[in-house]
Amino acid sequence: ETGVTQTPRHLVMGMTNKKSLKCEQHLGHNAMYWYKQSAKKPLELMFVYNFKEQTENNSVPSRFSPECPNSSHLFLHLHTLQPEDSALYLCASSQIRDGSYEQYFGPGTRLTVT
Amino acid sequence: GQNIDQPTEMTATEGAIVQINCTYQTSGFNGLFWYQQHAGEAPTFLSYNVLDGLEEKGRFSSFLSRSKGYSYLLLKELQMKDSASYLCAVRDSNYQLIWGAGTKLIIKP
Repeated sequence: ETGVTQTPRHLVMGMTNKKSLKCEQHLGHNAMYWYKQSAKKPLELMFVYNFKEQTENNSVPSRFSPECPNSSHLFLHLHTLQPEDSALYLCASSQIRDGSYEQYFGPGTRLTVT
Repeated sequence: GQNIDQPTEMTATEGAIVQINCTYQTSGFNGLFWYQQHAGEAPTFLSYNVLDGLEEKGRFSSFLSRSKGYSYLLLKELQMKDSASYLCAVRDSNYQLIWGAGTKLIIKP
């Protein structure tokens, strides 16, 4: 248990569906992240929020829409996804400060787009 | 471009020692991280190096040479539970983490 929870753990959706992934961190951190992890590929950073403000959007398609209502919660809204979007979506949090500020990851949502 | 290279897969024997290498080319350097990820689970933090040299933490050690763009993770007295993927990540000049694809370590009895 890392202090970062994600729901749902598994999700199967059609290309015309709309769904949302939820992440909650109980660590008092001030930064949260969404990553995409595909088999045998490096983690891809999608979005970064520092103090609830989005600071990074790494050329992510608009069918992925993040929302950060407060420093403990992060959502990823999904609509009209493609089969190549099937992957493990990981949420992470960290405390921005001098030093390592390592990231703590949630268990991920395994997404399958049919 | 930015690049992190690490072997795709390694096999080692229980009780032995294994070294997982990572080489990087990034725009700037602000630290290197190693994470462990068991199948179906979240990555968990193992170590952080920002200065050259060896950092030891129990059975695990991590080494960094900034001039060579090189790091390794050394695992001693291997246990079956060490079977996992090991991810190398470098924080670049923008303080973003650049990740390697991970090394899958298989431990055999």
